[in-house]
Amino acid sequence: NAGVTQTPKFQVLKTGQSMTLQCAQDMNHNSMYWYRQDPGMGLRLIYYSASEGTTDKGEVPNGYNVSRLNKREFSLRLESAAPSQTSVYFCASPSPPATGELFFGEGSRLTVL
Amino acid sequence: AQSVTQPDIHITVSEGASLELRCNYSYGATPYLFWYVQSPGQGLQLLLKYFSGDTLVQGIKGFEAEFKRSQSSFNLRKPSVHWSDAAEYFCAVGGGTSYGKLTFGQGTILTVHP
Repeated sequence: NAGVTQTPKFQVLKTGQSMTLQCAQDMNHNSMYWYRQDPGMGLRLIYYSASEGTTDKGEVPNGYNVSRLNKREFSLRLESAAPSQTSVYFCASPSPPATGELFFGEGSRLTVL
Repeated sequence: AQSVTQPDIHITVSEGASLELRCNYSYGATPYLFWYVQSPGQGLQLLLKYFSGDTLVQGIKGFEAEFKRSQSSFNLRKPSVHWSDAAEYFCAVGGGTSYGKLTFGQGTILTVHP
């Protein structure tokens, strides 16, 4: 049982390049979330998907797009990367309401030059 | 708007000493409160959570936290720190059915000296 799997783990881009971060969960959860982590700022919500077929903006959505491909997969796309998007990105999926725990992937470290 | 403040960016303790990490929150309704721990290069792992009921909650690895509504605080404690506790700790607040829409604090880095 892998939980939440993210790819790639590391990526270096040049300004203006595009890329997609992939996330898959095998826990049959309805919701999936993308956070970014920056030093001294904790984690901030970029986009989330409460259920298959729906997506909503979080706190810092500018410069990103998402796709909820199916119940398992939720991808995050940077269309034209900027240095300000250098960060560690985490995909997460909350357990059913009974526990409310967020299960995190191991993170994707992105550097934009 | 909800917010979380962790006043201490970096704390250093000796192995075996007690530990308290501070967390203050702002939330308009009954908060759901969490403490997560992150080891270097890893994702976040849940230490403990408070939803309702007993204001002193126990978590994994010997951690506990106390919810004080009057002080809007949810401080994390451990009686005796182990070297393996060195990590970054995040307090988070959320509520209702949107469990994944958490607001995180800035994090506190814990260093443990032998």
